[in-house]
Amino acid sequence: QVQLQQSGPGLVKPSQTLSLTCAISGDSVASNGAAWNWIRQSPSRGLEWLGRTYYRSKWYNDYALSVKSRITINPDTSKNQFSLQLNSVTPEDTAVYYCAREVEYYGSATYLHWIDPWGQGTLVTVSS
Amino acid sequence: DVQLTQSPSSLSASVGDRVTITCRASQSITGFLNWYQQKSGKAPNLLIYAASSLQSGVPPRFSGSGSGTDFTLTISSLQPEDFATYYCQQSYSTPWTFGHGTKVEIK
Repeated sequence: QVQLQQSGPGLVKPSQTLSLTCAISGDSVASNGAAWNWIRQSPSRGLEWLGRTYYRSKWYNDYALSVKSRITINPDTSKNQFSLQLNSVTPEDTAVYYCAREVEYYGSATYLHWIDPWGQGTLVTVSS
Repeated sequence: DVQLTQSPSSLSASVGDRVTITCRASQSITGFLNWYQQKSGKAPNLLIYAASSLQSGVPPRFSGSGSGTDFTLTISSLQPEDFATYYCQQSYSTPWTFGHGTKVEIK
């Protein structure tokens, strides 16, 4: 059973960097059948996909355009975890942040993707 | 980006009712549509993937259908533990996007 455990501060000052970590058990961050995502949720923006990292013979990252200039998602194979860094935060970045595994499955001559499981969520408030 | 529109945004129903939630995509996403349930204060939980495949451990009263731009999540007989918010999500192309949710409340 795959479990994701998030850690990181719940309060970040404006203009500073939001940093969260997601520890993986039951799977590997370097798995060829998975990608490791960060998603946030706020009343104003709903569920918003931020980006992912995944390994397919080498490491790849995809980021949402809305945060592309400010975001970094890094894998850590030594600790089997991955992290989120979001720079230059503003109060609009206040949200519950989730890490999540994206499963990639080859079936019916195509690749299927779904998100399962999710971490427990971290409420991050951006305020001075 | 693919936009997903869910309807209704909320509904009231009684235990035992049949409930249907729809999700419309802004372009064809063939069958790349997933459904999640989120209870208050918890992370979303996968119910249905690839439009109609039931995730392991999910009760069979949940079902999904549709293809192209129009999709449906059906709960055949609503149970007390089903009162929650439901989201659709497209996995046709990144950025992955979500509907705005349908809150199912007790009547």
